[in-house]
Amino acid sequence: SQELEQSPQSLIVQEGKNLTINCTSSKTLYGLYWYKQKYGEGLIFLMMLQKGGEEKSHEKITAKLDEKKQQSSLHITASQPSHAGIYLCGAPPGYSGGSNYKLTFGKGTLLTVNP
Amino acid sequence: GAVVSQHPSWVICKSGTSVKIECRSLDFQATTMFWYRQFPKQSLMLMATSNEGSKATYEQGVEKDKFLINHASLTLSTLTVTSAHPEDSSFYICSAGRQTTNEKLFFGSGTQLSVL
Repeated sequence: SQELEQSPQSLIVQEGKNLTINCTSSKTLYGLYWYKQKYGEGLIFLMMLQKGGEEKSHEKITAKLDEKKQQSSLHITASQPSHAGIYLCGAPPGYSGGSNYKLTFGKGTLLTVNP
Repeated sequence: GAVVSQHPSWVICKSGTSVKIECRSLDFQATTMFWYRQFPKQSLMLMATSNEGSKATYEQGVEKDKFLINHASLTLSTLTVTSAHPEDSSFYICSAGRQTTNEKLFFGSGTQLSVL
């Protein structure tokens, strides 16, 4: 089964600082989703990556998938308190016949941004 | 706007009662939906795959008689927690895929279940 390791588990930064969250898989990724969540609430879609070397940006958040398609990073520039929350990476199984929508998630990274 | 609607958002029930949670795809048909469970400060754990018109596929360790899943139409899947106990208290969330958008995968807003 697909297993995703996220690091760090938690992160506290000062407002305005940059930060990076990593998501690593032992197997080739056939898609990688990034979500933001506050516990007890739904998931907010951030980005989806599929191709090796792919990079996407939205506002101050940039996500990359490495060429080998085994590691993804999420980078936030000039963090703000509104960025606080749990960041989750998720990936489909990648095997033949497996649904692309059946995601396994990493354990999440809890981000705190101090004003 | 939301394309997957989950209801209720929260529910409190007595131990031994059953609770039904609904997950609807609002403007698209979903032959497959997924149910996840999340404990505080933990990640989402896939419980089962809900298949329209057939039996759900449960992940290892998930009791199918405890968590009944029904996917009777292309826009509705329900999760029923039967004879709920305090250890079933958790956050439950569903998802559905949509082929025609870039985002492709949408999540409901989740249901917080508290069993007294």
